[in-house]
Amino acid sequence: QVTLRESGPALVKPTQTLTLTCTFSGFSLSTSGMCVSWVRQPPGKALEWLALIDWDDDKYYSTSLKTRLTISKDTSKNQVVLTMTNMDPVDTATYYCARMLIRTTYDAFDIWGQGTMVTVSS
Amino acid sequence: EIVLTQSPDFQSVTPKEKVTITCRASQSIGSSLHWYQQKPDQSPKLLIKYASQSISGVPSRFSGSGSGTDFTLTINSLEAEDAATYYCHQSSSLPWTFGQGTKVEIK
Repeated sequence: QVTLRESGPALVKPTQTLTLTCTFSGFSLSTSGMCVSWVRQPPGKALEWLALIDWDDDKYYSTSLKTRLTISKDTSKNQVVLTMTNMDPVDTATYYCARMLIRTTYDAFDIWGQGTMVTVSS
Repeated sequence: EIVLTQSPDFQSVTPKEKVTITCRASQSIGSSLHWYQQKPDQSPKLLIKYASQSISGVPSRFSGSGSGTDFTLTINSLEAEDAATYYCHQSSSLPWTFGQGTKVEIK
């Protein structure tokens, strides 16, 4: 059974750096074709893709946020970490990690974590 | 960046009615269009992938169609448990993007 679970602080102050961890089970990020992405959702708003890391350690970022984001993986721990610098109240959102497969092309996000709510406030 | 525009934004529907949600892409994305259902306080759930491919465990009343720039999600014979917000998502071209969502309410 594939599962993903996000963890991190519920509250961060403006200008601080947010670090979120996605811990997963049921698959390995060292397996060809495996990817993990981060997606966020401000309260009452739509989903927004943030970043992706694949089995080959290739990394891709949202165009508008790429200067603030870093994604990394620890294959031995089955974890993917996302850092976002210079947090602002507009970054208040539920942050999800989700699995994506690459077959001949990038697939859908087939399994999602439960999400972790992050509030940015002084 | 590819923009996905869903219509309508909101739909109020009686049970057993048919629901149609459209998603239009700002440029051709082939069939790399996926649909998700998100119920209140839950994470999104994959409903349809590659425009029309069904997902194991998803009720057969959910179906998808389309290619290129115009896509449709159809819910045949709506049930009360289908009250949710539905999102389309494209994986044709990075950065991945989502539609703004369509909220379906049960009358």
